[in-house]
Amino acid sequence: AQSVTQPDIHITVSEGASLELRCNYSYGATPYLFWYVQSPGQGLQLLLKYFSGDTLVQGIKGFEAEFKRSQSSFNLRKPSVHWSDAAEYFCAAGSGGGADGLTFGKGTHLIIQP
Amino acid sequence: DVKVTQSSRYLVKRTGEKVFLECVQDMDHENMFWYRQDPGLGLRLIYFSYDVKMKEKGDIPEGYSVSREKKERFSLILESASTNQTSMYLCASSSMVGFLNQPQHFGDGTRLSIL
Repeated sequence: AQSVTQPDIHITVSEGASLELRCNYSYGATPYLFWYVQSPGQGLQLLLKYFSGDTLVQGIKGFEAEFKRSQSSFNLRKPSVHWSDAAEYFCAAGSGGGADGLTFGKGTHLIIQP
Repeated sequence: DVKVTQSSRYLVKRTGEKVFLECVQDMDHENMFWYRQDPGLGLRLIYFSYDVKMKEKGDIPEGYSVSREKKERFSLILESASTNQTSMYLCASSSMVGFLNQPQHFGDGTRLSIL
């Protein structure tokens, strides 16, 4: 069965520190991979996507993610977090780009300490 | 920018009522989706649609139906609402550019409470 795992339910990071959020997937073939962010009371905003090609992808708000096929991982990183980055982060995978239903991880809640 | 609009941010209904959640997108997208979001469970796909009058079941379709009479509008219907359908409901849409399917864009969600 297809699945996406985000091992960390909560992560606390000091403002200005670096960030890495983990995501592992289990799929029959290499899926399309996404990271979304959700601020309180809001919908999901796309941070970045991986479809093919360069395994290091750049997104909005200074985020990047690296696809590692050997580890079935797609971890999200940011070199220096800001208080406004506090939110819920979701990793998602799909076999048809955005044309079929996505399988989401359960999310990682990011807390920023001053 | 893509705009996906859900008609209500908050909705309170009673058990047994028929409930309609409406979603409209303004970018002529072919694909539309309904998810529900519950704490600790992430998002789960209820139904999706590739085209007008087309629908496909997602992972948790029981207790729900959908309608897509126009390309821009995708409705989620709770035939007889129950308390276990209290949740946040998120609508999304996506398109195809060339032969490449584009990422999904989400609305702000409808928080539905069934009493």
